[in-house]
Amino acid sequence: KAGVTQTPRYLIKTRGQQVTLSCSPISGHRSVSWYQQTPGQGLQFLFEYFSETQRNKGNFPGRFSGRQFSNSRSEMNVSTLELGDSALYLCASSLVPWTASSYEQYFGPGTRLTVT
Amino acid sequence: GQQVMQIPQYQHVQEGEDFTTYCNSSTTLSNIQWYKQRPGGHPVFLIQLVKSGEVKKQKRLTFQFGEAKKNSSLHITATQTTDVGTYFCAASSGGSYIPTFGRGTSLIVHP
Repeated sequence: KAGVTQTPRYLIKTRGQQVTLSCSPISGHRSVSWYQQTPGQGLQFLFEYFSETQRNKGNFPGRFSGRQFSNSRSEMNVSTLELGDSALYLCASSLVPWTASSYEQYFGPGTRLTVT
Repeated sequence: GQQVMQIPQYQHVQEGEDFTTYCNSSTTLSNIQWYKQRPGGHPVFLIQLVKSGEVKKQKRLTFQFGEAKKNSSLHITATQTTDVGTYFCAASSGGSYIPTFGRGTSLIVHP
């Protein structure tokens, strides 16, 4: 079974531009979560989608948005990029909701975004 | 907002020694998850704990959730060089999945 895939793997953007990152979950997984990882702030939760609905959102400005499609693929968008948005953006998928005792979450390799 | 303190930040051990990392919160947690991340890699989910006093084992790894659901620990028995990496905890409270991550403990195993 293929793992979580993220595209692109690397991206360089200029301050003020916008960017869209894509995540394809493991087949059959309906929950997709996004995270930001930086050396300064560590790992931070962005948002979680389940069946095309955003269920939870972390403490990030409105410039960060996302969506999930009917095939469970997800995209996240960052508008008006700032230098501080440079980070590794990770996507993770799970088969069952986090409330399930059998919950497991699988991460993709991430997209490394550099804002110059 | 909720904070999760994870200690120690770094831990050097000789291969074969035990290792423990701790996560502490001032608020009662709904659940806590543990992850491992190798250098240059992505986080790998290890386990989720949800019940007060819960103890789970995975081979040489033992995970505990405190009775008050405010702290958790990950213990590795007889470390191996393959255990090298950063171990993170992530905790949610209030019934929503909005995890707050600890800063991680980097484990260095000397052969």
